[in-house]
Amino acid sequence: QTVVTQEPSLTVSPGGTVTLTCASSTGAVTSSYYPNWFQQKPGQAPTALIYSTSNKYSWTPARFSGSLLGGKAALTLSGVQPEDEAEYYCLLYYGGARGVFGTGTKVTVL
Amino acid sequence: QVQLQESGPGLVKPSQTLSLTCIVSGGSISSDIYYWNWIRQPAGKGLEWIGRIYDSVNTTYNPSLESRVAISVDTSKNQFSLTLRSVTAADTAVYYCASLGTYSSWGQGTLVTVSS
Repeated sequence: QTVVTQEPSLTVSPGGTVTLTCASSTGAVTSSYYPNWFQQKPGQAPTALIYSTSNKYSWTPARFSGSLLGGKAALTLSGVQPEDEAEYYCLLYYGGARGVFGTGTKVTVL
Repeated sequence: QVQLQESGPGLVKPSQTLSLTCIVSGGSISSDIYYWNWIRQPAGKGLEWIGRIYDSVNTTYNPSLESRVAISVDTSKNQFSLTLRSVTAADTAVYYCASLGTYSSWGQGTLVTVSS
């Protein structure tokens, strides 16, 4: 069974920078996994932030960026705002079609 | 941006079939620019990808659910559906329909409880 692992929790100060990562149990994550990133706040549906590694949506704040880092997909938040406190999930596609969500990272802004 | 809305029963008995529908507005269900997905989330837990349909007929499913699940499109109603057979309490979750990828949009989610 394929497992996609994220940091369980991260804490960042307002205005700071934090990087979340997304690792695959099958090996290095590449652009062929089309990494997606989502933000979910309590009681709400997830919101898409990034698709295909680093592409942003029109509604994605500029402080969010996606990349590949050391064999993992990564989401970097620069200039963190209090409203960025949320759960973040990555999604990887295997064989270009089968999706697997990551375990999720709870980001606390403190 | 397309809008999606889930509908279906909130309570299903064990061993029965769960059926949900996602009504799509603002875009054509048969357009090949959209990937239509079902995703679920048990209370207090993470997201689980159930499967998707593309170009009205091409489906891919989560291997752990593949023997029980089907996703289909109804072009006349501009909607797509999820069928999950032989449900147990472990299938209790909030179910989301979503378009993912280049054109992303999520429904608000619907809670389905499996209980007698």
